[in-house]
Amino acid sequence: DTAVSQTPKYLVTQMGNDKSIKCEQNLGHDTMYWYKQDSKKFLKIMFSYNNKELIINETVPNRFSPKSPDKAHLNLHINSLELGDSAVYFCASSRNYNEQFFGPGTRLTVL
Amino acid sequence: AQSVTQLDSHVSVSEGTPVLLRCNYSSSYSPSLFWYVQHPNKGLQLLLKYTSAATLVKGINGFEAEFKKSETSFHLMKPSAHMSDAAEYFCVVSPSSGYNKLIFGAGTRLAVHP
Repeated sequence: DTAVSQTPKYLVTQMGNDKSIKCEQNLGHDTMYWYKQDSKKFLKIMFSYNNKELIINETVPNRFSPKSPDKAHLNLHINSLELGDSAVYFCASSRNYNEQFFGPGTRLTVL
Repeated sequence: AQSVTQLDSHVSVSEGTPVLLRCNYSSSYSPSLFWYVQHPNKGLQLLLKYTSAATLVKGINGFEAEFKKSETSFHLMKPSAHMSDAAEYFCVVSPSSGYNKLIFGAGTRLAVHP
Protein backbone atom coordinates (compact mmCIF):
# COMPACT_ATOMS: atom_id res chain seq x y z
CA ASP A 1 0.00 0.00 0.00
CA THR A 2 2.95 2.29 -0.72
CA ALA A 3 1.76 5.85 -1.33
CA VAL A 4 4.68 7.45 -3.19
CA SER A 5 7.38 5.11 -4.46
CA GLN A 6 10.68 5.79 -6.18
CA THR A 7 13.07 3.54 -8.06
CA PRO A 8 15.88 2.95 -7.68
CA LYS A 9 16.61 3.64 -4.03
CA TYR A 10 20.34 3.91 -4.70
CA LEU A 11 22.06 4.84 -7.95
CA VAL A 12 25.82 4.90 -8.43
CA THR A 13 27.14 5.93 -11.82
CA GLN A 14 30.06 7.52 -13.65
CA MET A 15 30.32 11.12 -14.75
CA GLY A 16 28.93 11.73 -18.20
CA ASN A 17 26.34 8.95 -18.06
CA ASP A 18 22.59 9.42 -18.54
CA LYS A 19 20.25 8.03 -15.88
CA SER A 20 16.57 8.08 -14.94
CA ILE A 21 14.72 7.99 -11.64
CA LYS A 22 11.10 6.88 -11.59
CA CYS A 23 8.31 8.01 -9.30
CA GLU A 24 4.81 6.64 -8.92
CA GLN A 25 1.97 7.61 -6.59
CA ASN A 26 -1.20 5.63 -5.92
CA LEU A 27 -2.97 8.36 -3.95
CA GLY A 28 -4.97 9.73 -6.86
CA HIS A 29 -3.18 13.06 -6.59
CA ASP A 30 -2.97 15.41 -9.55
CA THR A 31 0.22 17.27 -8.69
CA MET A 32 3.71 15.80 -8.45
CA TYR A 33 7.09 17.28 -7.56
CA TRP A 34 10.82 16.63 -7.64
CA TYR A 35 13.10 17.95 -4.88
CA LYS A 36 16.88 17.81 -4.49
CA GLN A 37 18.45 17.41 -1.04
CA ASP A 38 22.14 18.27 -0.96
CA SER A 39 24.86 16.97 1.35
CA LYS A 40 23.94 19.58 3.96
CA LYS A 41 20.34 18.31 4.03
CA PHE A 42 19.02 21.43 2.30
CA LEU A 43 15.89 20.69 0.26
CA LYS A 44 14.95 22.65 -2.82
CA ILE A 45 12.16 22.17 -5.31
CA MET A 46 13.17 21.41 -8.88
CA PHE A 47 9.96 20.77 -10.81
CA SER A 48 6.22 20.44 -10.35
CA TYR A 49 3.60 18.97 -12.65
CA ASN A 50 -0.15 19.45 -12.34
CA ASN A 51 -2.28 17.13 -14.47
CA LYS A 52 0.78 16.33 -16.58
CA GLU A 53 1.50 20.02 -17.19
CA LEU A 54 4.73 21.61 -16.02
CA ILE A 55 3.90 24.42 -13.57
CA ILE A 56 7.11 24.94 -11.61
CA ASN A 57 10.54 24.87 -13.17
CA GLU A 58 13.22 26.25 -10.93
CA THR A 59 16.66 27.20 -12.22
CA VAL A 60 17.67 23.66 -12.98
CA PRO A 61 20.22 22.82 -15.71
CA ASN A 62 18.78 21.66 -19.03
CA ARG A 63 20.42 18.30 -18.40
CA PHE A 64 17.49 17.58 -16.08
CA SER A 65 14.28 16.72 -17.88
CA PRO A 66 11.11 15.61 -16.09
CA LYS A 67 8.55 13.52 -17.90
CA SER A 68 4.99 12.82 -16.80
CA PRO A 69 3.38 10.06 -18.88
CA ASP A 70 0.24 10.22 -16.73
CA LYS A 71 -0.94 11.79 -13.49
CA ALA A 72 0.40 8.93 -11.39
CA HIS A 73 3.97 9.07 -12.69
CA LEU A 74 6.70 11.70 -12.81
CA ASN A 75 10.10 10.51 -13.97
CA LEU A 76 13.35 12.46 -13.85
CA HIS A 77 15.93 11.98 -16.57
CA ILE A 78 19.43 13.38 -16.14
CA ASN A 79 21.88 13.68 -19.04
CA SER A 80 25.66 13.99 -18.82
CA LEU A 81 25.81 13.48 -15.08
CA GLU A 82 28.25 15.66 -13.12
CA LEU A 83 29.81 15.26 -9.69
CA GLY A 84 27.61 18.06 -8.34
CA ASP A 85 24.49 16.08 -9.19
CA SER A 86 25.24 13.74 -6.30
CA ALA A 87 22.36 14.19 -3.87
CA VAL A 88 19.18 12.61 -2.61
CA TYR A 89 16.24 13.22 -4.92
CA PHE A 90 12.74 13.16 -3.47
CA CYS A 91 9.50 12.82 -5.34
CA ALA A 92 6.28 14.14 -3.77
CA SER A 93 2.62 14.41 -4.66
CA SER A 94 -0.42 16.37 -3.52
CA ARG A 95 -4.10 16.77 -4.30
CA ASN A 96 -4.43 20.17 -5.89
CA TYR A 97 -2.19 22.40 -3.80
CA ASN A 98 -2.57 20.80 -0.39
CA GLU A 99 -0.03 19.03 1.79
CA GLN A 100 2.60 17.05 -0.02
CA PHE A 101 3.42 13.39 0.54
CA PHE A 102 7.03 12.41 -0.04
CA GLY A 103 8.63 9.29 -1.42
CA PRO A 104 11.55 7.53 0.31
CA GLY A 105 14.18 9.25 -1.83
CA THR A 106 16.80 8.13 -4.35
CA ARG A 107 20.42 8.56 -3.34
CA LEU A 108 22.43 9.39 -6.48
CA THR A 109 26.21 9.13 -6.34
CA VAL A 110 28.23 10.30 -9.31
CA LEU A 111 31.83 9.07 -9.39
CA ALA B 1 9.40 36.70 -1.10
CA GLN B 2 8.99 33.82 1.30
CA SER B 3 11.74 32.39 3.48
CA VAL B 4 12.21 30.24 6.54
CA THR B 5 14.89 30.45 9.22
CA GLN B 6 15.44 27.62 11.63
CA LEU B 7 17.33 29.20 14.47
CA ASP B 8 19.20 26.10 15.65
CA SER B 9 21.04 23.66 13.42
CA HIS B 10 21.45 21.16 16.30
CA VAL B 11 19.41 20.63 19.46
CA SER B 12 20.31 18.06 22.09
CA VAL B 13 17.95 17.03 24.90
CA SER B 14 17.68 14.27 27.46
CA GLU B 15 14.94 11.70 27.17
CA GLY B 16 11.83 12.84 29.04
CA THR B 17 12.66 16.57 28.86
CA PRO B 18 10.84 19.14 26.71
CA VAL B 19 11.74 19.81 23.10
CA LEU B 20 11.67 23.25 21.46
CA LEU B 21 12.70 23.69 17.81
CA ARG B 22 12.54 27.30 16.69
CA CYS B 23 11.38 28.59 13.33
CA ASN B 24 10.81 32.10 11.97
CA TYR B 25 9.24 32.77 8.62
CA SER B 26 8.91 35.61 6.18
CA SER B 27 5.95 35.78 3.83
CA SER B 28 4.17 38.46 1.84
CA TYR B 29 0.91 36.56 2.05
CA SER B 30 -0.88 34.61 4.75
CA PRO B 31 1.20 31.47 4.58
CA SER B 32 0.61 27.84 5.21
CA LEU B 33 3.26 26.46 7.55
CA PHE B 34 4.40 22.89 8.07
CA TRP B 35 6.80 20.84 10.08
CA TYR B 36 8.24 17.73 8.44
CA VAL B 37 10.46 15.11 10.08
CA GLN B 38 13.13 13.03 8.38
CA HIS B 39 14.51 10.01 10.18
CA PRO B 40 17.97 8.76 9.11
CA ASN B 41 17.94 7.46 5.53
CA LYS B 42 14.18 7.88 5.31
CA GLY B 43 11.79 10.12 3.43
CA LEU B 44 9.95 13.11 4.88
CA GLN B 45 6.87 12.73 7.01
CA LEU B 46 4.41 15.50 7.78
CA LEU B 47 4.21 16.22 11.52
CA LEU B 48 1.67 19.02 11.45
CA LYS B 49 0.40 21.97 9.44
CA TYR B 50 -1.04 25.43 10.00
CA THR B 51 -3.49 26.85 7.49
CA SER B 52 -5.04 29.90 9.21
CA ALA B 53 -7.28 28.02 11.61
CA ALA B 54 -6.33 27.55 15.29
CA THR B 55 -2.97 29.06 16.19
CA LEU B 56 -1.98 26.05 18.31
CA VAL B 57 -1.67 23.09 16.01
CA LYS B 58 -1.43 19.52 17.23
CA GLY B 59 0.40 16.94 15.19
CA ILE B 60 1.46 13.34 15.34
CA ASN B 61 3.70 11.73 17.97
CA GLY B 62 2.82 14.31 20.63
CA PHE B 63 4.24 17.31 18.76
CA GLU B 64 2.53 20.67 18.56
CA ALA B 65 3.38 24.07 17.14
CA GLU B 66 2.17 27.58 17.85
CA PHE B 67 1.68 30.15 15.11
CA LYS B 68 2.50 33.68 16.33
CA LYS B 69 1.88 36.24 13.61
CA SER B 70 3.26 39.14 15.66
CA GLU B 71 6.56 37.30 16.05
CA THR B 72 6.44 35.58 12.63
CA SER B 73 7.27 32.36 14.42
CA PHE B 74 6.10 28.77 14.22
CA HIS B 75 8.05 26.91 16.90
CA LEU B 76 7.72 23.14 17.32
CA MET B 77 7.31 21.69 20.81
CA LYS B 78 6.95 18.40 22.61
CA PRO B 79 6.55 18.10 26.39
CA SER B 80 8.65 14.96 26.77
CA ALA B 81 11.26 13.73 24.31
CA HIS B 82 11.55 10.08 23.35
CA MET B 83 14.59 8.36 21.91
CA SER B 84 12.67 7.73 18.69
CA ASP B 85 12.28 11.50 18.19
CA ALA B 86 15.94 11.78 17.15
CA ALA B 87 15.77 12.99 13.55
CA GLU B 88 16.08 16.01 11.27
CA TYR B 89 13.18 18.46 11.46
CA PHE B 90 12.25 20.90 8.71
CA CYS B 91 10.11 24.00 9.03
CA VAL B 92 8.38 24.75 5.73
CA VAL B 93 6.39 27.69 4.36
CA SER B 94 4.03 27.72 1.42
CA PRO B 95 2.44 30.95 0.20
CA SER B 96 -1.35 30.95 0.10
CA SER B 97 -1.24 32.07 -3.49
CA GLY B 98 0.68 30.34 -6.22
CA TYR B 99 1.46 26.76 -6.94
CA ASN B 100 2.15 25.20 -3.56
CA LYS B 101 5.86 25.81 -3.82
CA LEU B 102 7.22 24.57 -0.52
CA ILE B 103 10.18 26.51 0.82
CA PHE B 104 12.24 24.54 3.33
CA GLY B 105 14.30 25.74 6.23
CA ALA B 106 17.82 24.41 6.61
CA GLY B 107 16.73 21.81 9.15
CA THR B 108 17.37 21.17 12.84
CA ARG B 109 18.98 17.95 13.93
CA LEU B 110 17.47 16.73 17.19
CA ALA B 111 19.56 14.40 19.34
CA VAL B 112 17.96 12.65 22.32
CA HIS B 113 20.18 11.26 25.04
CA PRO B 114 19.25 8.61 27.61
